[in-house]
Amino acid sequence: KAGVTQTPRYLIKTRGQQVTLSCSPISGHRSVSWYQQTPGQGLQFLFEYFSETQRNKGNFPGRFSGRQFSNSRSEMNVSTLELGDSALYLCASSLVLAGVLRGDTQYFGPGTRLTVL
Amino acid sequence: QKEVEQDPGPLSVPEGAIVSLNCTYSNSAFQYFMWYRQYSRKGPELLMYTYSSGNKEDGRFTAQVDKSSKYISLFIRDSQPSDSATYLCAMGPWDTGRRALTFGSGTRLQVQP
Repeated sequence: KAGVTQTPRYLIKTRGQQVTLSCSPISGHRSVSWYQQTPGQGLQFLFEYFSETQRNKGNFPGRFSGRQFSNSRSEMNVSTLELGDSALYLCASSLVLAGVLRGDTQYFGPGTRLTVL
Repeated sequence: QKEVEQDPGPLSVPEGAIVSLNCTYSNSAFQYFMWYRQYSRKGPELLMYTYSSGNKEDGRFTAQVDKSSKYISLFIRDSQPSDSATYLCAMGPWDTGRRALTFGSGTRLQVQP
């Protein structure tokens, strides 16, 4: 079974631009979570989507947004990029049993490395 | 104070040694616990996953959880140079709809051949 895939793998943008990152979860997984990883702050939760709805949100500004499509694929968008947004953005998918939204194992993709100049 | 504390290391051990990695946490809502391994420039790879206090073994890896002390450990037996990576503990609450993991800062492990 194919793992979580993320595109693109590398991105270079300049301050003020916006960026869209894509994530395809493991086949059958319906929940997608996004994380930001930086050397200073480590791995931090951004948000989680299930059934095309945002279920949980971390402590990030509104410039960070996301969405999920009916096929469970997800995108995240960062507008008005700042230098501090340079990071590895990781997507993780979870199998959610029908009608049960409890904590579940998350499997990570390889990440998109974003550099903001 | 961070909700999850993890010694960043680096931890250097000879090949074949037993490695002990640890995390402490402060949030009593955390009910499930995971250990991930991350190689340089890769995404985290799930190693172990447990809900309950006590030990869980999988091959060379043993995860230990003590909820009363809010302390978790990962033991690696017969460590190999290929185990050299950053090890991240992660944990989350059980309540409905919550799947946001809180991670430790990671411990960098180097296994010397």
